This record gives sequence, C-alpha cells and structure tokens, in this order.
Amino acid sequence: QKEVEQNSGPLSVPEGAIASLNCTYSDRGSQSFFWYRQYSGKSPELIMSIYSNGDKEDGRFTAQLNKASQYVSLLIRDSQPSDSATYLCAVLDSNYQLIWGAGTKLIIKP
Amino acid sequence: GAVVSQHPSRVICKSGTSVKIECRSLDFQATTMFWYRQFPKQSLMLMATSNEGSKATYEQGVEKDKFLINHASLTLSTLTVTSAHPEDSSFYICSARSEPTYEQYFGPGTRLTVT
Repeated sequence: QKEVEQNSGPLSVPEGAIASLNCTYSDRGSQSFFWYRQYSGKSPELIMSIYSNGDKEDGRFTAQLNKASQYVSLLIRDSQPSDSATYLCAVLDSNYQLIWGAGTKLIIKP
Repeated sequence: GAVVSQHPSRVICKSGTSVKIECRSLDFQATTMFWYRQFPKQSLMLMATSNEGSKATYEQGVEKDKFLINHASLTLSTLTVTSAHPEDSSFYICSARSEPTYEQYFGPGTRLTVT
C-alpha cells in the first residue's frame, strides 16, 4: 500500500527560527508533491507544489525534493506565530492518485 | 486565482432529513472534484471522487446511496447527505483539481450538525 509518512508532532519552534517539516513517500513513481497548511477548524490551503529535484522557494517557504531518497521537506524561515498550524504533505502517485500524510502540527512559540 | 466556494458553510438539520452541499470552482474548470470528511482532531478522509458527466467513485466504506454526488458541470459538484443521522455530523470539505498540475484547491468547508 502506498504511503506518505510525516511526524505527527507537535513540533515546537521559537519565533524567528527556521521550522523544518519532513515527509517520506513509498511510491518511487510519484511525480508531484504538495504542501498544504490547515488551521484548526479550517480547510487545507495549498502553499507549495514541487515537481523536480532540488529546492523551490516562495517567500519564507522553501520546498525541497529528493526523489532518490523519496523525501520531501518544507522549510519555513523567520517563523511567526501565525504559522502555527498542521502541515499536510500530499504526493501524486504513479496512478495519479493523491496520497495524504497525516500531517505535522507546528507550534511557533513567541 | 484557483478559488473554490462551498455552500452552506454551516448547517443544522434534524435527523432523517436530507442536506445538499454545493461546491463551485470560481475561476477554473474542474473535470474532477473530491469530497472529504474530517472529524475533530482527525485526518482528512476522502469520501469520493466526482467526475464531470459520470458517476462518482466512492471510497471503501462510504455508502453511495447515503452520500449522493452529482457533478453536472465543469464548475459545480454537489453532495447530498440523505436521511442524515447524528453520526453524520462532521466537517465536509470539497476540493477541485486543476489540470495539468493536479493541484487540488479546497473549498472553505461545511460544518454539518444533525440533531
């Protein structure tokens, strides 16, 4: 069974520091990778998509993909209390099905 | 861009009645939409995949006669919860898939309470 794994957390990071969120996946044929942010009681919001090996930066967010290691990560620089949320990793597998991780709860401490 | 609306945002209904939830992609066409359910402090659970002009594909354990899905156009999918019971109370969220990136954009969700 195809899987996407994330540490459930909570991950506690001081305000202003870098938050690092990690995700591993089992299907080597996966081609597209997504990070979503979900605030408590709200629906998920797409924050980053990455399709090729390497880094992709968007503002304070950087997504990193390593297909050889089947690993994708999200870095949040200069973390703010408003970044406190659950971060969901989603992977489009070789059958074009989106497989979801269970999410990592991030807490930014002022 | 990539805005998905969902109505109503909150609904309270009596046990045994039916409730319809609408999901619209406002600025793009979506051949495929998805319906999820989420209980408090739990993960998203995919209920069904809705394809425009064809029958929905339901996940294992989801009753297709209870959760009726219609995807009549490239911008609208509806979920009808029939004969609702208190155990159907949950947060229902739709998403629309953008081609060719396969990015999914979520509606704001509908909180259903069955009394």
